[in-house]
Amino acid sequence: AQSVTQPDIHITVSEGASLELRCNYSYGATPYLFWYVQSPGQGLQLLLKYFSGDTLVQGIKGFEAEFKRSQSSFNLRKPSVHWSDAAEYFCAVSENNQGGKLIFGQGTELSVKP
Amino acid sequence: DTAVSQTPKYLVTQMGNDKSIKCEQNLGHDTMYWYKQDSKKFLKIMFSYNNKELIINETVPNRFSPKSPDKAHLNLHINSLELGDSAVYFCASSQDTRRLTNTEAFFGQGTRLTVV
Repeated sequence: AQSVTQPDIHITVSEGASLELRCNYSYGATPYLFWYVQSPGQGLQLLLKYFSGDTLVQGIKGFEAEFKRSQSSFNLRKPSVHWSDAAEYFCAVSENNQGGKLIFGQGTELSVKP
Repeated sequence: DTAVSQTPKYLVTQMGNDKSIKCEQNLGHDTMYWYKQDSKKFLKIMFSYNNKELIINETVPNRFSPKSPDKAHLNLHINSLELGDSAVYFCASSQDTRRLTNTEAFFGQGTRLTVV
């Protein structure tokens, strides 16, 4: 069965520091991969997605992610974190024949300290 | 100009009641979904409809019944509410996933249901 693992439940970084959120997936074929962000009391906003092609994808708000097939990973990065980036981040995978069904990781809560 | 809108945003109700959550999307999408986010923030799909037809029905108690009057609306009706139904319910939509595989889902703001 497909699964997504986000090993870090909670991460704290200083404002201006770099960020990497880890995501590992379990899926036989090439997955479709997504990162969503959920701010407190808000819905889910898509940060970026990977379907095929260039393994380094750029997203909104200065985020990027790299698909590494050999490591089954799709880690999210940002070179300099802003206080407004504090939120819950979800990695998700979907299959190409499952009607768009998303399987989410457990989420990583990001705190930003001044 | 909200893309996916849900009502209500908050819902507090007593055990045993029946309640509905409404969802509408103005993106012209053919596929709509309901996801449940539990108290540990874990998100899991419940249902998916494509052009008013049920295509995904995960293991959900049959007290939960989705209804899609047209492809822009997907409502969730819950009978005989239980304490364990307390969660945040998210509606989402995407393009037709039977024609296009590389689609992304757009989510609503969520409905926080509290059963007391």
